[in-house]
Amino acid sequence: EEQLMESGGGLVQPGGSLRLSCAASGFTFSRFVMTWVRQAPGKGLEWVSGISGSGGGTHYADSVKGRFTVSRDNSKNTVYLQMNSLRAEDTAVYYCAKEYYDILTGYYGGLDAFDIWGQGTMVTVSS
Amino acid sequence: QSVLTQPPSASGTPGQKVTISCSGSRSNIGSNTVNWYQQFPGAAPKLLMYSNNQRPSGVPDRFSGSKSGTSASLAISGLQSEDEADYYCAAWDDSLNGVVFGGGTKLTVL
Repeated sequence: EEQLMESGGGLVQPGGSLRLSCAASGFTFSRFVMTWVRQAPGKGLEWVSGISGSGGGTHYADSVKGRFTVSRDNSKNTVYLQMNSLRAEDTAVYYCAKEYYDILTGYYGGLDAFDIWGQGTMVTVSS
Repeated sequence: QSVLTQPPSASGTPGQKVTISCSGSRSNIGSNTVNWYQQFPGAAPKLLMYSNNQRPSGVPDRFSGSKSGTSASLAISGLQSEDEADYYCAAWDDSLNGVVFGGGTKLTVL
């Protein structure tokens, strides 16, 4: 069974740092784009960042560019999100998600279609 | 304010057909495919539709998607109480070089 498990969330002061991890199992991790999406309390979904299967390509939302860094360790089947200079508006549940793949058609969802999601980890930025 | 525009709410009675719209621009929906996600309270989102009108395995054929120009829509026919959830559209945006979501539509089954 394909699964994702996030960890590393918690309470941090404004200006602080936090590193989120997302451990994958049940699929060939290195084949797929991985993505981080967040959801502030009571709000909608916001895409944060995406990383290619090799780790050579990364993308960021303007709201986090220069502060967040996405990376992956394919030997550990884990994707990370290093979050620096955190602000109150970064408070959210952070989900990692796997690129959709249709085994029948060979279609890959790329950076915007995700079929497996973790349970999310809460990040609270507050003094 | 979201780049993609959805109505904040929609409703229908069991058995009815409901349509949720998603409006964008040339740089996102106008140039790329649209995906739809369903989210129940306290749960992670679920991919409901990809590439405008394709259903992942396990999604009932009561759900259908379409796209025309810079707008897309999700239709749910034969509405059921278990369809009550939040629905989000999403697409890649060539100008922002990132994924943009709609603000979400809360579907209520009356």
